[in-house]
Amino acid sequence: DAKTTQPNSMESNEEEPVHLPCNHSTISGTDYIHWYRQLPSQGPEYVIHGLTSNVNNRMASLAIAEDRKSSTLILHRATLRDAAVYYCILVLRGSARQLTFGSGTQLTVLP
Amino acid sequence: ETGVTQSPTHLIKTRGQQVTLRCSSQSGHNTVSWYQQALGQGPQFIFQYYREEENGRGNFPPRFSGLQFPNYSSELNVNALELDDSALYLCASSLGLAGNDEQYFGPGTRLTVT
Repeated sequence: DAKTTQPNSMESNEEEPVHLPCNHSTISGTDYIHWYRQLPSQGPEYVIHGLTSNVNNRMASLAIAEDRKSSTLILHRATLRDAAVYYCILVLRGSARQLTFGSGTQLTVLP
Repeated sequence: ETGVTQSPTHLIKTRGQQVTLRCSSQSGHNTVSWYQQALGQGPQFIFQYYREEENGRGNFPPRFSGLQFPNYSSELNVNALELDDSALYLCASSLGLAGNDEQYFGPGTRLTVT
């Protein structure tokens, strides 16, 4: 499986935008980029995914570099509830056999 | 809306015992995956079932086994428990096997082996 690299931790102030980076230089043309987050004492939660184009949903936006070797998850206005570990995961297009979680980015939101 | 439930919430077992953990997937989801999450680490894939057949397995020994039933429920069985099996066990359901399918996770079962 292609590997992703994320910063261990990031901080943000409440109600400010947050940009969470992810590097995936060995991504293949058939890998989807998925983001999940895990709030304390809960199971992971799907956030967003994309293939080549930028994507928006009610939770976040996903900006994908033109060469697809990196991506950025954007939370437009961070709230205290957004404090979580954010995981960037590559999923093979043909078979979603498993999610390979790395260590993720611990996001702290300051009031 | 996630709709994935797991039972029990917490469980304490003794080394050498056997345990069965249960998961109820979202209705209509044909795929269920199980993950083990040790404290402070990301979840690790155990295995996946698709329409009641095992569809893939991670690096876990055969004493970890599973079943998926037609009513969208599933089980994870662990025999001969070891201290290192203490972890949060998560199940996740999804519609099928497409790479763009979202996985919906349950809250997990916290297993402690003493």
